[in-house]
Amino acid sequence: DIEVTQSPSSLSASVGDRVTITCRASHSIDSYVHWYQHKPGNAPKLLIYGASHLQSGVPSRFRGDGSGTEFSLTIDNLQPEDFATYYCQQTFRPPVSFGGGTRVDI
Amino acid sequence: QVHLEQSGAEVLKPGASVTVSCKTSGYTFNRYGISWVRQAPGHGLEWMGWISVYNGNTVYADKLQGRLTLTADTSASTVYMELRSLRSDDTALYFCARRERRFGESDSWGQGTHVSVSS
Repeated sequence: DIEVTQSPSSLSASVGDRVTITCRASHSIDSYVHWYQHKPGNAPKLLIYGASHLQSGVPSRFRGDGSGTEFSLTIDNLQPEDFATYYCQQTFRPPVSFGGGTRVDI
Repeated sequence: QVHLEQSGAEVLKPGASVTVSCKTSGYTFNRYGISWVRQAPGHGLEWMGWISVYNGNTVYADKLQGRLTLTADTSASTVYMELRSLRSDDTALYFCARRERRFGESDSWGQGTHVSVSS
């Protein structure tokens, strides 16, 4: 099985900051990595698919990079509505796996 | 627009079974798969499995093999998730999500269904 390790598990930031979250896969997963934003009680929201493709309707301050085993999600100019938990997901090979999540708070 | 509507909350006893429905609209049903994801209290997202609505093929998480069944009713544009032999650690918020064909990401999600297992 492919393991996905996400870091950090939490971080504190301020409005206007740039934050970067990383995901490392135990095997090469090409570009089959996606990033989601999740707020309590709500459904997760797709931000980035295929490692670097911005999902329609998602602000351009969200950016995804990487391929192979190392991936990152960068949020520029952090906004109040961006405080949430973020997950990476690999769909290269079943079983699909999520990273452990990164909680972004003030 | 794409919409996934899940059935309501369930409270069950250990050993029981639960079926959660996911009714879709706004797109061609058999052109996408449906994935299921759950989140237990205090935990992260856990992938459960997915079904190809086109041919009915399924893939399940190893830990749920034998207890989980996903089925699709193309006439109703609805997917069903049945989980059997429920345990307390199955208590979670369950989501269905549309699975894109190229990369397999989940681009549209249901609102979630609370399943609580308690004696």
